[in-house]
Amino acid sequence: GENVEQHPSTLSVQEGDSAVIKCTYSDSASNYFPWYKQELGKGPQLIIDIRSNVGEKKDQRIAVTLNKTAKHFSLHITETQPEDSAVYFCAASRDYGQNFVFGPGTRLSVLP
Amino acid sequence: GAGVSQSPSNKVTEKGKDVELRCDPISGHTALYWYRQSLGQGLEFLIYFQGNSAPDKSGLPSDRFSAERTGGSVSTLTIQRTQQEDSAVYLCASSLAGTGGLEQYFGPGTRLTVT
Repeated sequence: GENVEQHPSTLSVQEGDSAVIKCTYSDSASNYFPWYKQELGKGPQLIIDIRSNVGEKKDQRIAVTLNKTAKHFSLHITETQPEDSAVYFCAASRDYGQNFVFGPGTRLSVLP
Repeated sequence: GAGVSQSPSNKVTEKGKDVELRCDPISGHTALYWYRQSLGQGLEFLIYFQGNSAPDKSGLPSDRFSAERTGGSVSTLTIQRTQQEDSAVYLCASSLAGTGGLEQYFGPGTRLTVT
């Protein structure tokens, strides 16, 4: 089955700096890769996603890159702000939502 | 519009008791997922419902766990003879799935504490 690894497990950055979180996956049939942000006491919230026919996607300060050959994808947050502090999860899925597997999460702290 | 709702938000139960957790997905979403999240950990997949298809129960940790989805909408996760290791936050998510979109929308979760 699918296995998703995520690094680092914790990340501290200064406000205004960039943060990068990386994930690898094992199932070559996976073709949907979302990123979720989870704040304390809340459910995860989708922040950006990418499909296997696209190499990069950007939404304001957030971008995701995908290397399907190497089976890894990354989340990039630029100009970090204190409100970006949260736990971030990557995930991988096949078509139609089956085999949805999450990474173990990265706790991001943005220091003012 | 209304998001995914879960009830109760918190549940404290004694070891050995049965519990039922409820999930109301977003209207029109055909796919529904249950996950378990232990303190400080990632999301552990439990079960997946898609339309009228047989559910994917491959993530259920034991036969004490079961789930139903009535009328393709509301879902109930039942844990029988609860154990202390069942203590966790149980999250429900729904999506349009398939060509309708894979984005999962999560509820706030039910925090289960088994004493």
